Amino acid sequence: GENVEQHPSTLSVQEGDSAVIKCTYSDSASNYFPWYKQELGKRPQLIIDIRSNVGEKKDQRIAVTLNKTAKHFSLHITETQPEDSAVYFCAASNEDDMRFGAGTRLTVKP
Amino acid sequence: EPEVTQTPSHQVTQMGQEVILRCVPISNHLYFYWYRQILGQKVEFLVSFYNNEISEKSEIFDDQFSVERPDGSNFTLKIRSTKLEDSAMYFCASSLYVTGTAQYFGPGTRLLVL
Repeated sequence: GENVEQHPSTLSVQEGDSAVIKCTYSDSASNYFPWYKQELGKRPQLIIDIRSNVGEKKDQRIAVTLNKTAKHFSLHITETQPEDSAVYFCAASNEDDMRFGAGTRLTVKP
Repeated sequence: EPEVTQTPSHQVTQMGQEVILRCVPISNHLYFYWYRQILGQKVEFLVSFYNNEISEKSEIFDDQFSVERPDGSNFTLKIRSTKLEDSAMYFCASSLYVTGTAQYFGPGTRLLVL
C-alpha cells in the first residue's frame, strides 16, 4: 500500500520568512495530493491540493509542487504569519483511500 | 457553506462495550470515509464507502469495525467490542467523487475507552 513520508516533523520560522514542508510517496499510482492544516483539537482543513497532471499550483501565499518522477511533493508558505502556526499534513490518494504523512508542526514566531 | 457534521463530539465507554459514531456527510457527496487519529499522531485511513458498500479498508479496519448508511443522510461507524487502544479521535469525511477530489472532514468524535 501507499506510504507517505513527511519532513521535517517540526519547523520554526520567524514571521515573514518562508516555510517548506516536503513529502515523498511510494505508490506511483497515486494521483491526488492534498495538504491539510490542523489546529489543536480541530478537524483537518484542506488548504491546497494538486493532481498528478499538474506540476505546480499556487494560491496566494501557499504553493505546492509535485515531481512525479521522484515521487516528491512540497508545500511552500511565503510571508508566514503567526496564524499559520499549526500541524500540516500531506496526503497521497489513489482511488479509494488516502494516506497521510506524519505531520509537521509549524511554529511562526512573531 | 455545507459542512460534514459528527455526533457525539465526545464519547466515554467501558472496554468491551459497543459504540456507534455518527456522521452526516455533505449532502451531494457520494463518497464517505472514516479516519482515526490517536492523540498527537497522524491521521489514519480506516475505510471508504460508496454506493452502499465498502470500497476500500485499511489493515486497522478489522472485524470489530463496521460501517453503514442507514438512511439517506447518516453514515455510521460501529465498534463492536471496544479496546483501550481504540481511544482516539475519529473523523468522518466526504467527497464528491472518488479520484482527485477534495475530502472534507467533520469535527471529529473523541472516543475514550476506559
